[in-house]
Amino acid sequence: GQQLNQSPQSMFIQEGEDVSMNCTSSSIFNTWLWYKQDPGEGPVLLIALYKAGELTSNGRLTAQFGITRKDSFLNISASIPSDVGIYFCAGDYNAGNMLTFGGGTRLMVKP
Amino acid sequence: GAGVSQTPSNKVTEKGKYVELRCDPISGHTALYWYRQSLGQGPEFLIYFQGTGAADDSGLPNDRFFAVRPEGSVSTLKIQRTERGDSAVYLCASSLFTGDKEQFFGPGTRLTVL
Repeated sequence: GQQLNQSPQSMFIQEGEDVSMNCTSSSIFNTWLWYKQDPGEGPVLLIALYKAGELTSNGRLTAQFGITRKDSFLNISASIPSDVGIYFCAGDYNAGNMLTFGGGTRLMVKP
Repeated sequence: GAGVSQTPSNKVTEKGKYVELRCDPISGHTALYWYRQSLGQGPEFLIYFQGTGAADDSGLPNDRFFAVRPEGSVSTLKIQRTERGDSAVYLCASSLFTGDKEQFFGPGTRLTVL
């Protein structure tokens, strides 16, 4: 099936640093979404992107829908300890309604 | 308002047994999805409901898996003759309407098959 390649797989950063992670696909995606998942919880929607080139912010988070429609990135500015978790990109690439998820980026923040 | 709820939060069963996992979507959401998440991986799509009908069940791995949503709200995922490979977190999500890509997830049911 379709795959989303997410990188890096993990990051260990100092509190206050900025973070960048991305997601790529071999196919064109219609929508890109970014989720955060804490241990024992379901994914929580952070940002949704609907148009190529779209840049959207949610507090310290900024995400962009790549102009080729085959990639997206998520930036977190001035990281804090509660940013710790696994970040997943997801998208839909066909007329269906299911989401395809990347493998996740595990973020660890050192106080 | 209340989010998506799932019960039980944990289920331990023996190989060969039958299990049912329940999902209660956000009130008013017409679309409901089931995903499965194995350790260290992202969620993988299983089945999608629009109202009472299964609009897409292409992600169900085999005929041991079945899901229903008889009244267009609560859904039950049913797994027959469970196998150890079925062990995973089963996530349910809902969205306001068909075509709404913003899916909101429940906390999941962790299924362990011994």
